[in-house]
Amino acid sequence: DAKTTQPNSMESNEEEPVHLPCNHSTISGTDYIHWYRQLPSQGPEYVIHGLTSNVNNRMASLAIAEDRKSSTLILHRATLRDAAVYYCILGLGAGNNRKLIWGLGTSLAVNP
Amino acid sequence: EAQVTQNPRYLITVTGKKLTVTCSQNMNHEYMSWYRQDPGLGLRQIYYSMNVEVTDKGDVPEGYKVSRKEKRNFPLILESPSPNQTSLYFCASSFRETNYGYTFGSGTRLTVV
Repeated sequence: DAKTTQPNSMESNEEEPVHLPCNHSTISGTDYIHWYRQLPSQGPEYVIHGLTSNVNNRMASLAIAEDRKSSTLILHRATLRDAAVYYCILGLGAGNNRKLIWGLGTSLAVNP
Repeated sequence: EAQVTQNPRYLITVTGKKLTVTCSQNMNHEYMSWYRQDPGLGLRQIYYSMNVEVTDKGDVPEGYKVSRKEKRNFPLILESPSPNQTSLYFCASSFRETNYGYTFGSGTRLTVV
């Protein structure tokens, strides 16, 4: 099964950019790359997702390597509210019924 | 507000006593899914539904049942709960097409004693 690999934890300072890496070397051509985050005692929250091109939204940017074997979630200015576990997930493509393959995520600490 | 609503948030029950965890979404999503989250194991899919009356097993379906009689509701049924089903459960929904993200509920923490 396709899977993702992320660092267990990372630390950042408030108002600085954060780059969260993810490796997914077994990704297939139709698999989407999703990022979700989970705050304590809450359900996962959608952050961003993409297929091949870099993506931007109001929460973050997603940079996808040309070979699609890795990606980076970029939080442009970290705030204390961004402290969470960030999951890089593969959303299996056509024929796989939209299954999400979850890893264990990166726990992000944001220092004031 | 667009949301996925799960009930109850917390539940303590005894082994063998049937229970149902409800999930409802107000976004007209075709796709709904149940996950359980356990320490060190991450989120694992229990069951999913691509549309009304269409359900299928995920990775860990044993001991669980689901139904999808209406588009908005996707209840998770534990006919005879056991202690190894003590976990944090999440319901999620999305449009069927692959280029949409998922909306998750706030979770149900179930303890089976």
